[in-house]
Amino acid sequence: SQTIHQWPATLVQPVGSPLSLECTVEGTSNPNLYWYRQAAGRGLQLLFYSVGIGQISSEVPQNLSASRPQDRQFILSSKKLLLSDSGFYLCAWSLSGVAYNEQFFGPGTRLTVL
Amino acid sequence: RKEVEQDPGPFNVPEGATVAFNCTYSNSASQSFFWYRQDCRKEPKLLMSVYSSGNEDGRFTAQLNRASQYISLLIRDSKLSDSATYLCAVNGRGGSYIPTFGRGTSLIVHP
Repeated sequence: SQTIHQWPATLVQPVGSPLSLECTVEGTSNPNLYWYRQAAGRGLQLLFYSVGIGQISSEVPQNLSASRPQDRQFILSSKKLLLSDSGFYLCAWSLSGVAYNEQFFGPGTRLTVL
Repeated sequence: RKEVEQDPGPFNVPEGATVAFNCTYSNSASQSFFWYRQDCRKEPKLLMSVYSSGNEDGRFTAQLNRASQYISLLIRDSKLSDSATYLCAVNGRGGSYIPTFGRGTSLIVHP
């Protein structure tokens, strides 16, 4: 069966510090991968998605970036965090090339920028 | 009009009640539809997919109305443990496989 891992679970960072969040998927090959942010009381905002190694599409211009160095690894980064970057960051995967494309989410990272 | 809209609620119902949520979508070309459940401070978890013919899983029934462009989720015999936020997801963007999520409907089931 497939599993998705994210770490860390919680993170408190000062404004201006760098960020690196990691997501890995097990039990499937060539998944589509996604990064979402959910601010308090808000909906899911798609940040990045990837259909393959090195292929990243950005949905919202901001100070975040994503990379996919391996098939089942997705990394979210920032060089300098802003207060507005606080939120619940969720990684998700879905099967590639499938018309009915359910997404499965990792446990998330709760980021607080102070 | 937003791509995917949900009544945020909260829907406050007693145990044993039947409750229904709707989710409207704007893209008539959308092909796939889902309901997710999200508990407080947890990740969304897939509850069920919504097929053209409808879908039933125990106390939960999901239906699609293409003419009016909405999906619905019906929960029968509500349990305390059903208390959560229910998110709908609709794939769109001209047939893209990337779903758009609604903001969710909060359900509170009380004794």
